[in-house]
Amino acid sequence: AQSVTQPDIHITVSEGASLELRCNYSYGATPYLFWYVQSPGQGLQLLLKYFSGDTLVQGIKGFEAEFKRSQSSFNLRKPSVHWSDAAEYFCAVGPEYGNKLVFGAGTILRVKS
Amino acid sequence: KAGVTQTPRYLIKTRGQQVTLSCSPISGHRSVSWYQQTPGQGLQFLFEYFSETQRNKGNFPGRFSGRQFSNSRSEMNVSTLELGDSALYLCASSPDPSGQAGNEQFFGPGTRLTVL
Repeated sequence: AQSVTQPDIHITVSEGASLELRCNYSYGATPYLFWYVQSPGQGLQLLLKYFSGDTLVQGIKGFEAEFKRSQSSFNLRKPSVHWSDAAEYFCAVGPEYGNKLVFGAGTILRVKS
Repeated sequence: KAGVTQTPRYLIKTRGQQVTLSCSPISGHRSVSWYQQTPGQGLQFLFEYFSETQRNKGNFPGRFSGRQFSNSRSEMNVSTLELGDSALYLCASSPDPSGQAGNEQFFGPGTRLTVL
């Protein structure tokens, strides 16, 4: 069965510092991988996705993620965090058929000034 | 294009009642999925509809049901509400032009259901 692990429940970084959010997945075939962000009281916004090809994918708001098959990881990075990045971040893996997503538990990002 | 809209945004119900939530996908999108989000269980997939047919289903009891109309709008219904059904219910739509996997999904703002 598919599963996604986000080992960090909370992360605090200083504004301007770099960020890396970890995501590990379990999936039998080549996965479709996604990162979503959720601000309080809001729905989910897609930051980036990996389907195939280049293992380093660029997303919106200056985020990027790297797919590493050998480590079953898809970590999210940003070189310089802004206060507006404070939110909850979800990693998700997609199915072989249809659009069902399996989400990780989420990582809450706090940005301190 | 307008985004995914969900109505109502907030609902308060009592145990034993039933509730219907509505989702209007982005124009042209054929797939609609529903998710339940709770602090304890996180984001869990409920079901997906594609061209008025349920294509995928999560591990929820039969009290949770849904349907999709010919214009792709979708509704989900929860009967005999329990306290544990209190959650944010998110709807997502996807263009899915070929009916294949891995399409980007666009989420609505959710309906916050509180069961007293």
